[in-house]
Amino acid sequence: ELKVEQNPLFLSMQEGKNYTIYCNYSTTSDRLYWYRQDPGKSLESLFVLLSNGAVKQEGRLMASLDTKARLSTLHITAAVHDLSATYFCAVDAPNQSRDDKIIFGKGTRLHILP
Amino acid sequence: DVKVTQSSRYLVKRTGEKVFLECVQDMDHENMFWYRQDPGLGLRLIYFSYDVKMKEKGDIPEGYSVSREKKERFSLILESASTNQTSMYLCASSNYYEQYFGPGTRLTVT
Repeated sequence: ELKVEQNPLFLSMQEGKNYTIYCNYSTTSDRLYWYRQDPGKSLESLFVLLSNGAVKQEGRLMASLDTKARLSTLHITAAVHDLSATYFCAVDAPNQSRDDKIIFGKGTRLHILP
Repeated sequence: DVKVTQSSRYLVKRTGEKVFLECVQDMDHENMFWYRQDPGLGLRLIYFSYDVKMKEKGDIPEGYSVSREKKERFSLILESASTNQTSMYLCASSNYYEQYFGPGTRLTVT
């Protein structure tokens, strides 16, 4: 059974600092996703990582994927208050046929202090 | 832009009522999903559908059923609502590349 674990689950940090959120998954998978969720809102897609060594950047966020280690990281550079949200990683379920199931981690609630 | 809409943002129902949550997507996606989201538990898959009239159970299907009569519409049905079904319900559709989420329905069962 595929399991997706994020850490930390809660993170409070000051503006201007750098930090990394980790996402480990238990079995081989083809794709990894990062989503952002603001309080009371739905999930917004941030990145889709498709291959080993993939790195994608958008503003102060950078995501990377190491399929051999089954690890993805979401790195935050010089955090600003607007990045406060909950971040989810998700992985394609194995042995997919016609469906497109993905398995989510429990999310990392990020709170950036001004 | 992909658009996934859900019929209600907030809903309050009584125990035992039958509840319908509707989801519509406008991108001709084959796959659609219903999740519930609870604090500390993340997103859990209730049901998904990969074609019209086709459905598969997710991880927590008990107490729920679904209907997909048209490609663009996927309905979640609570046959007899219970208080432990109070939650945020999220619908998603997928183009085999990524899932796109609707705004969510916060359901309270009293």
